[in-house]
Amino acid sequence: DAKTTQPNSMESNEEEPVHLPCNHSTISGTDYIHWYRQLPSQGPEYVIHGLTSNVNNRMASLAIAEDRKSSTLILHRATLRDAAVYYCILRYAGGTSYGKLTFGQGTILTVHP
Amino acid sequence: NAGVTQTPKFRILKIGQSMTLQCTQDMNHNYMYWYRQDPGMGLKLIYYSVGAGITDKGEVPNGYNVSRSTTEDFPLRLELAAPSQTSVYFCASSYAGNEQFFGPGTRLTVL
Repeated sequence: DAKTTQPNSMESNEEEPVHLPCNHSTISGTDYIHWYRQLPSQGPEYVIHGLTSNVNNRMASLAIAEDRKSSTLILHRATLRDAAVYYCILRYAGGTSYGKLTFGQGTILTVHP
Repeated sequence: NAGVTQTPKFRILKIGQSMTLQCTQDMNHNYMYWYRQDPGMGLKLIYYSVGAGITDKGEVPNGYNVSRSTTEDFPLRLELAAPSQTSVYFCASSYAGNEQFFGPGTRLTVL
């Protein structure tokens, strides 16, 4: 499985934008880029995913580099509720993948009031 | 919709005991997954199922068994509990391998 590299931790102030980077230099053409987050003592929660084009939803934006070897999750205005571990995951979309996700250690995001 | 529910929330087992972790989803999802998460680590896939009657091993299946007799339920069985199985267990479901919805987890301690 192709791997991702994320910083161990990042910090932000409340109401400021946050850019969470992810490197995935071995990504293949059939890999989707997924982001999940895990709040303390909870199960992971889907945030966003994309293949080639930038994506926006109500939670965040995903900016994907033109060569697809890196991506950035953008939280436009961080709140205290966004403090979590953020996982960048490549999901192989081939026929026998069955949506399996391989979680790394993620980025711990701390949001300061 | 309740989404994905897991029981129990917490459990303490003695070495060698057995137990079943329950997982139910009401979203009519065909795919279901069991993960474990050790302290400070990411989740690791134990078993998954792509439909009733079909299961397959994930990354760390040793010491566990699963069954999928209905679309809704995907129980995880530990036959001979060992301290190495102390972890938080998460069940998840998805439709055709897309976005996964996770349950709240079961915190298991084996002493």
